[in-house]
Amino acid sequence: GQQLNQSPQSMFIQEGEDVSMNCTSSSIFNTWLWYKQDPGEGPVLLIALYKAGELTSNGRLTAQFGITRKDSFLNISASIPSDVGIYFCAGNDYKLSFGAGTTVTVRA
Amino acid sequence: GAGVSQSPRYKVAKRGQDVALRCDPISGHVSLFWYQQALGQGPEFLTYFQNEAQLDKSGLPSDRFFAERPEGSVSTLKIQRTQQEDSAVYLCASSLKAARTSTNTEAFFGQGTRLTVV
Repeated sequence: GQQLNQSPQSMFIQEGEDVSMNCTSSSIFNTWLWYKQDPGEGPVLLIALYKAGELTSNGRLTAQFGITRKDSFLNISASIPSDVGIYFCAGNDYKLSFGAGTTVTVRA
Repeated sequence: GAGVSQSPRYKVAKRGQDVALRCDPISGHVSLFWYQQALGQGPEFLTYFQNEAQLDKSGLPSDRFFAERPEGSVSTLKIQRTQQEDSAVYLCASSLKAARTSTNTEAFFGQGTRLTVV
């Protein structure tokens, strides 16, 4: 089963909105990662976090590694249509432990 | 190509059939991982190779699952006597360095093989 709890399970976005999702774990991880997976593809790394409390940005993406090393959030600012997909958090203790994912779709 | 390549992309197997899934990692990558991703879930770790050595197989769900990487490059995941619960996407990932000693080495994923057992 999934070791990491990711929320929300799904969300609908409208172009231009900011999006936020988070992840908690019962275990401590030294590295925390956020991935995006498009249909029929493997996960692609978005952001890697290495230090507790670290806040890291990659373009419109911002992620923070919780001070306890047991949680993280990912923000996407000014969303665009290509942001749709499934976002996964993962704790890294050399092998990855993934959350169940947050599915982002466009609001009709 | 420059990325991780997996074949076949899709596989339909009858229950009880044996299957073999192939992974071609990025050339020169030391570490190779196999993950299993059930529908609607995140990937779950199956096994890890450092070069040709299988250092961790703690995630393999049963003794029907077997993986090898005999020359430290291409890897094969074999599932014997497939069951319906084996239906999933099987992802391979590789990274440049030994993952156990270089935790900040990025793992690159292939597109996966979708296995359907009927």
